[in-house]
Amino acid sequence: NAGVTQTPKFQVLKTGQSMTLQCAQDMNHEYMSWYRQDPGMGLRLIHYSVGAGITDQGEVPNGYNVSRSTTEDFPLRLLSAAPSQTSVYFCASSYIRQGARNEQFFGPGTRLTVL
Amino acid sequence: SQQGEEDPQALSIQEGENATMNCSYKTSINNLQWYRQNSGRGLVHLILIRSNEREKHSGRLRVTLDTSKKSSSLLITASRAADTASYFCATGGGNKLTFGTGTQLKVEL
Repeated sequence: NAGVTQTPKFQVLKTGQSMTLQCAQDMNHEYMSWYRQDPGMGLRLIHYSVGAGITDQGEVPNGYNVSRSTTEDFPLRLLSAAPSQTSVYFCASSYIRQGARNEQFFGPGTRLTVL
Repeated sequence: SQQGEEDPQALSIQEGENATMNCSYKTSINNLQWYRQNSGRGLVHLILIRSNEREKHSGRLRVTLDTSKKSSSLLITASRAADTASYFCATGGGNKLTFGTGTQLKVEL
């Protein structure tokens, strides 16, 4: 199993540009999520999904869109990049089971710089 | 807003020593998890403790939970240079987790 994969690893954008961060998992996990990590602020939840066709907002959703057309893929779209979106982005996935541990598996991250 | 706050923010110890880091949280929880993040990498799950448990062990890791004080501690015994990483606590309902700001641990030879 490849686990959770993310592409690209690094990206530089100019203000106003749009792009999509890719995330895929091969563990058949129902739950997928996107976090951003900024120095001194830990991880903050952007968007999450509990299954194909179902998405919801997290703590910091503004400026980002997501969709979940398949169980495996959960892309994150930046509509019009801003310098405040400079961050490291992590995708994570886990099972949803009643009473089960909800350990999350993380991808390696995408380091995004917006100039 | 952050649910968990780790303390200390940074910790430097010698190899072989024990490392203790603490996490305080604000609201009632079903469980609390600890994750490790090596520099430039994603987070890796270490251990989960449920709200009805007070202590849990996994190898060199020992986690305690005090729900009355809304706090947890992670103890790493006999630390190694490879334990150098950031450690985060995470709480939440179901799969939706909220992470603390982390403790940066440096283990020196």
